[in-house]
Order: sequence, then structure tokens, then C-alpha cells
Amino acid sequence: KQEVTQIPAALSVPEGENLVLNCSFTDSAIYNLQWFRQDPGKGLTSLLLIQSSQREQTSGRLNASLDKSSGRSTLYIAASQPGDSATYLCAVNAGGTSYGKLTFGQGTILTVHP
Amino acid sequence: SQTIHQWPATLVQPVGSPLSLECTVEGTSNPNLYWYRQAAGRGLQLLFYSVGIGQISSEVPQNLSASRPQDRQFILSSKKLLLSDSGFYLCAWSLGGNYEQYFGPGTRLTVT
Repeated sequence: KQEVTQIPAALSVPEGENLVLNCSFTDSAIYNLQWFRQDPGKGLTSLLLIQSSQREQTSGRLNASLDKSSGRSTLYIAASQPGDSATYLCAVNAGGTSYGKLTFGQGTILTVHP
Repeated sequence: SQTIHQWPATLVQPVGSPLSLECTVEGTSNPNLYWYRQAAGRGLQLLFYSVGIGQISSEVPQNLSASRPQDRQFILSSKKLLLSDSGFYLCAWSLGGNYEQYFGPGTRLTVT
């Protein structure tokens, strides 16, 4: 059974810092990995999708990396801003006959203070 | 562009009452549809998914059920709610099992 762990559970940083969020998964047989952002009381916003054949994916100040063989992904946020404060979730997709069922980590709560 | 709607946004229901939550997707055809529940301290859990009209797969045995009466409509139901059904219910769609998933705004359900 796939298990996804996110470290740290919470992170507080001053504005302007670069930061890294970690995600690990136990079964390396994944099709892709998706990073989401969730604001309090809201739905999930997709940030980045990284395919199992890819090593990195970038969008603006966000960069996600994937090391499938070691079961790890990182989300790098450059020059953090107070508006980046949210919960960040990673989810793995086994693909194929799993029909897109995502297994989520518990999330990292990020607070960026001015 | 594609849009996903959920309603109601918030719901407070007594134990034993019925439930119906609705999710609709606009701007796409034949999407995969998913119901997730996010409960405090338990993370996001997949409840049901559907790859087509009338095709429902259940992931977790419970007193909830799902239906897909139309291509872009997904309904979550219960005949009698339990306290443990409280949570934040999220609907999602994707073009297929290997594609990016997009989530709706969610429904906050409180069972009293």
C-alpha cells in the first residue's frame, strides 16, 4: 500500500527566503506526482504535475523535482511572499488501472511572515 | 476553459438525515470524476471515482453512495448521516487516469 509522507509538518519563514518542502513515498511504481496548494477552507489548487519520466518541472517561482527510484520529491519556492502562506500537499498517482486515484500526504503548513 | 462547481458550499445536518451533494464540470467531455473527503487529522481520502456515466467505483466501505446520472455530473448521497460523516468533501476531475486532477471549491458538512 502506497504511503506518502511530507516533512516538515509546519514551516514558518520570513519573507524573501527560499524554502524546500519534502515529500516521500514508499512505492516507486508511480505514474506522476502532483503538488497542490490549499488555502484555509478552500479547495485544492494544482501547482505542478511531474511525470515519472521527468526530473524537474518549473512554474514561476516554483520548482518541483522527482527522484522516483528513491521515492522522493521536493517543492522549491524561491523568494517566498506572505501570499504563499497555505498548506502544500503532494499526491502520487499510480496510473494505469488505478484510474487516477491519488494518494496524498498530510501536508506542510507554510507561514511566510512579513 | 474548464470549471468545476460544487454545492452547497456549507451544510449542517442532523444525524440520521439524508444527504445529497452535487458536483458539475463545465468545458470538457467524458472526464474521470472523483469524490474525496478531508477530515480533521486524517488527510484526504478518496471515496468514489467514475470513468463514465453510471460507472462508479467505491474505495472505502461506508454509508455513502455516489451516482453519475450525466456525463459531467457527480452526486454524493447518504440515506442516513452519521457523526463520522462530518468533513470537507471535494470533487475533482481529470481527462483520464494519468492526467492532472483539478479540484472544486468543496462542501463543508457538519453532522450534529
